[in-house]
Amino acid sequence: EFQLVESGGGLVQPGGSLRLSCAASGFIFSNYEMNWVRQAPGKGLEWVSYISSGSSTKDYADSVKGRFTISRDNAKNMVYLQMNSLRAEDTAVYFCATSVLNWFGELSRWGQGTLITVSS
Amino acid sequence: DIQMTQSPSLLSASVGDRVTITCRASQAISHYLAWFQQKPGRAPKSLIYAASRLQSGVPSKFSGSGSGTDFTLTISSLQPEDFGTYYCQQYVSYPLTFGGGTRVEI
Repeated sequence: EFQLVESGGGLVQPGGSLRLSCAASGFIFSNYEMNWVRQAPGKGLEWVSYISSGSSTKDYADSVKGRFTISRDNAKNMVYLQMNSLRAEDTAVYFCATSVLNWFGELSRWGQGTLITVSS
Repeated sequence: DIQMTQSPSLLSASVGDRVTITCRASQAISHYLAWFQQKPGRAPKSLIYAASRLQSGVPSKFSGSGSGTDFTLTISSLQPEDFGTYYCQQYVSYPLTFGGGTRVEI
């Protein structure tokens, strides 16, 4: 069964860095695109980043472009989000998500999320 | 970017009611529309994809319709476990975008 488990969240000071990890299991990870989506406290859902199955294509929301970097290790079934120059507005629960149908942009399976708090 | 607008933002209904949530895209997205249910402290759960197809395991009281720019999610008979916030999402193109959410109160 598709399973995604995020880790790496915590409290970080403004301007700091953090790397999130998402461990995948139960499916052939190397065949699937992956996404990160975030949700600020009490707010709606915001797509953050995308990576294709072979890492050839990556995309970012304008709000994080130039500060966040997505990557993956298909040998380890892991996807990562390196977050630099963090701001208070990056405070959110971060989810990794993918499509069990392997459809472009369809997000049918989500991890439980990991909370990032950016504060001094 | 494609803007997704949901209405209403808050829906109060009684057990057994038929409820409808609408979602409008700022440009045509064909049928590339998904609906999610989210409960406090939990990840979103996918209910519907391709505008009208039910995800595996989702009860048939949920249904979706629409194409182009206008979409609806209907719950045929509202039950206490259906409380939560519902989101629509387009996936015709990146950046993926979500509606602002509809909070359903029982």
